[in-house]
Amino acid sequence: RKEVEQDPGPFNVPEGATVAFNCTYSNSASQSFFWYRQDCRKEPKLLMSVYSSGNEDGRFTAQLNRASQYISLLIRDSKLSDSATYLCVVNRYNTDKLIFGTGTRLQVFP
Amino acid sequence: DTAVSQTPKYLVTQMGNDKSIKCEQNLGHDTMYWYKQDSKKFLKIMFSYNNKELIINETVPNRFSPKSPDKAHLNLHINSLELGDSAVYFCASSPRGVGYQPQHFGDGTRLSIL
Repeated sequence: RKEVEQDPGPFNVPEGATVAFNCTYSNSASQSFFWYRQDCRKEPKLLMSVYSSGNEDGRFTAQLNRASQYISLLIRDSKLSDSATYLCVVNRYNTDKLIFGTGTRLQVFP
Repeated sequence: DTAVSQTPKYLVTQMGNDKSIKCEQNLGHDTMYWYKQDSKKFLKIMFSYNNKELIINETVPNRFSPKSPDKAHLNLHINSLELGDSAVYFCASSPRGVGYQPQHFGDGTRLSIL
């Protein structure tokens, strides 16, 4: 079983739609959680951290459920520019090591 | 100003050759990383150095040898290149501190083995 698992998609949604991605992780020692965004043929970039109480950044909301070991990302009012691959990332306890999911591809169409 | 820069951006070479990829960061970070992203887009850490000291060494063939001459540079040398080495290699850096610090990635080196 992979340490971080995501639905690869693609999710094809119209502009203005709300879309949600989930990610599960297997190592209960995982300490920190993040969503990164990767555009086609570009480097990954940090989108947002995920906090236990849930957090929001504009149109993006992240949630963490430690008991069930999953995190989620909700995107409201999707824009064409949101089209990218969203990577679920966890950091193992007391290490510098990031474990990346394989990503969920989002395509927003007009 | 480029924060994490890698050279070359593209590398096309034949099986059996030896090649190097260079990485430099001007962010003043203490920790640098090499990642490999394969054709299935799976991004996996290979090595990490903190202030020139190796701290993460994943199960990587010993044909891959990282070198960190100073904390702003982390190079990757690959001997006897194989077809399976074709991938995008990303360098990244982060500050050292309590708890997790975000990693900043270079824009990748696309390695193609003929």
